[in-house]
Amino acid sequence: SQQGEEDPQALSIQEGENATMNCSYKTSINNLQWYRQNSGRGLVHLILIRSNEREKHSGRLRVTLDTSKKSSSLLITASRAADTASYFCATDEGAAGNKLTFGGGTRVLVKP
Amino acid sequence: DAGVIQSPRHEVTEMGQEVTLRCKPISGHNSLFWYRQTMMRGLELLIYFNNNVPIDDSGMPEDRFSAKMPNASFSTLKIQPSEPRDSAVYFCASSLAHGQPQHFGDGTRLSIL
Repeated sequence: SQQGEEDPQALSIQEGENATMNCSYKTSINNLQWYRQNSGRGLVHLILIRSNEREKHSGRLRVTLDTSKKSSSLLITASRAADTASYFCATDEGAAGNKLTFGGGTRVLVKP
Repeated sequence: DAGVIQSPRHEVTEMGQEVTLRCKPISGHNSLFWYRQTMMRGLELLIYFNNNVPIDDSGMPEDRFSAKMPNASFSTLKIQPSEPRDSAVYFCASSLAHGQPQHFGDGTRLSIL
């Protein structure tokens, strides 16, 4: 079963605009990770945020985590056509801390 | 810097045939994961290994599926006999250690006719 559920399922924006997607989960987590998947390729890790962190930045990416609401958001600023991809959140929740549960993803289309 | 390498990239075979998918993880990575991705079910973890030992195979659909990791640089996922509902993209991923980000291969697109 899926732990993380992304919202929206799909997003279409113009180049230069910001894109925001959200992830909700059900159980306690060790960390939450965001991945990108381009068409026909494997997933690429973007950013990891630990359960004791509230916000993290990496380049044009900003991730927030609210453990009280069991939710996270990914913001892509000044989007580019190359950001067109599917974005997945994944939660690391087990005692072993090595098993990720992925959400269904948000498909982002950035129009030039 | 070589990433996770999967072979074959595409496989088309007839129902009932044996299918073997192969994965070479990133050198030095201690954990290896097999996933299946479909439109209907999304990305599902099938099995993962730590230090070549299977830790959790609860995602393996049924006895037709088996996975091995004979050494730190090679793993196989086998389906025997294959069925049309096994059609999916199968990904292998590896990570350096406990709780670290996972690195994915580009997958094997499997079609069972």
